[in-house]
Amino acid sequence: SQTIHQWPATLVQPVGSPLSLECTVEGTSNPNLYWYRQAAGRGLQLLFYSVGIGQISSEVPQNLSASRPQDRQFILSSKKLLLSDSGFYLCAWRLSNEKLFFGSGTQLSVL
Amino acid sequence: EDQVTQSPEALRLQEGESSSLNCSYTVSGLRGLFWYRQDPGKGPEFLFTLYSAGEEKEKERLKATLTKKESFLHITAPKPEDSATYLCAVGSGGGADGLTFGKGTHLIIQP
Repeated sequence: SQTIHQWPATLVQPVGSPLSLECTVEGTSNPNLYWYRQAAGRGLQLLFYSVGIGQISSEVPQNLSASRPQDRQFILSSKKLLLSDSGFYLCAWRLSNEKLFFGSGTQLSVL
Repeated sequence: EDQVTQSPEALRLQEGESSSLNCSYTVSGLRGLFWYRQDPGKGPEFLFTLYSAGEEKEKERLKATLTKKESFLHITAPKPEDSATYLCAVGSGGGADGLTFGKGTHLIIQP
């Protein structure tokens, strides 16, 4: 069966520090991978998606970047965090037009 | 641009008091209407997918229905463990670019 791992669960970082969140998927090949951010009162916002290794599409201009170094690995990064980067970050995967499967999320607080 | 609007934003019910949550959407070429349940601090958990007007899906006390412009999530005789945020999302286009989510309905069931 397929599983998705996302870590860390909680992260507190100072403004201006770097960020690296990692997500891995098991039990499937060549999934579409996604990073969403959920902020209070704003719902789930799609940040990046990837249809294959090295292929990244960005939905909104921002302080973040994403990379997919392996088929089932998706990384969200920042060189310098801003206060506005705080939020609940969710990794997800899907095959074609099927449902999204979400990870457990990372609560990021930038202070 | 796909849009999803959920109402009400919050709903408080007594245990056993049935009600419905609404999801209105505008999309160019619907490729699925998805319902998720999200508990605090966790990733969304998949409930249903509906693909065409008139379709209905059921699971325990939940029933989802779909028209050409909206979907309803009916909750029959809810229990306190049904308390959660319920998210609605639509898929369109080629499917690689993820789902568009509403802001959710925060449901509280009081014993």
